[in-house]
Amino acid sequence: GAGVSQSPSNKVTEKGKDVELRCDPISGHTALYWYRQSLGQGLEFLIYFQGNSAPDKSGLPSDRFSAERTGGSVSTLTIQRTQQEDSAVYLCASSLGGISYEQYFGPGTRLTVT
Amino acid sequence: AQSVTQPDIHITVSEGASLELRCNYSYGATPYLFWYVQSPGQGLQLLLKYFSGDTLVQGIKGFEAEFKRSQSSFNLRKPSVHWSDAAEYFCAVGARYGNKLVFGAGTILRVKS
Repeated sequence: GAGVSQSPSNKVTEKGKDVELRCDPISGHTALYWYRQSLGQGLEFLIYFQGNSAPDKSGLPSDRFSAERTGGSVSTLTIQRTQQEDSAVYLCASSLGGISYEQYFGPGTRLTVT
Repeated sequence: AQSVTQPDIHITVSEGASLELRCNYSYGATPYLFWYVQSPGQGLQLLLKYFSGDTLVQGIKGFEAEFKRSQSSFNLRKPSVHWSDAAEYFCAVGARYGNKLVFGAGTILRVKS
């Protein structure tokens, strides 16, 4: 079946512009995660959605970052006023529930801020 | 707070040789432990996980890992490495009843033919 998909696969933007990254989770998965993978910081948790519960935003690095999940399915990560340090690969994962369930990762979106 | 240390940034082994990738974690209770693999340009794939019970866990692709509480370690092993195992390997820890995984910095495995 279809896995987690992310779009775009690559995004180049100018410093100061806003960007939106999209994640389509596996159908039926109630949990959705966003992670950031960068050279200096490794893999960092950003945000977690579970069903209709309030999201866990504890990993968002600044208020320029936000995410939403519409209809319990597709999620969009928005970065406002991008900075060069935002350059990274943004990974989305989905699972059937909480931490004990396997997370299935998408291929990521490579964001480059020039 | 949880943390994970993977001491080896790069490891090179010959095809057919055995492999051990090290992982040490810091967490105040028994954690959930995971190993993921990432091939170039691909997302992460779960190799194996430990939650409780038998401390030696088997995973996919012939990998196994052993949880050693006394050493706070969860090392990944494979008896005979194949060229297709070349990839980056990540150890991760999750808190029970928590929401997120904390990943180590990763170990890049190169396989010599």
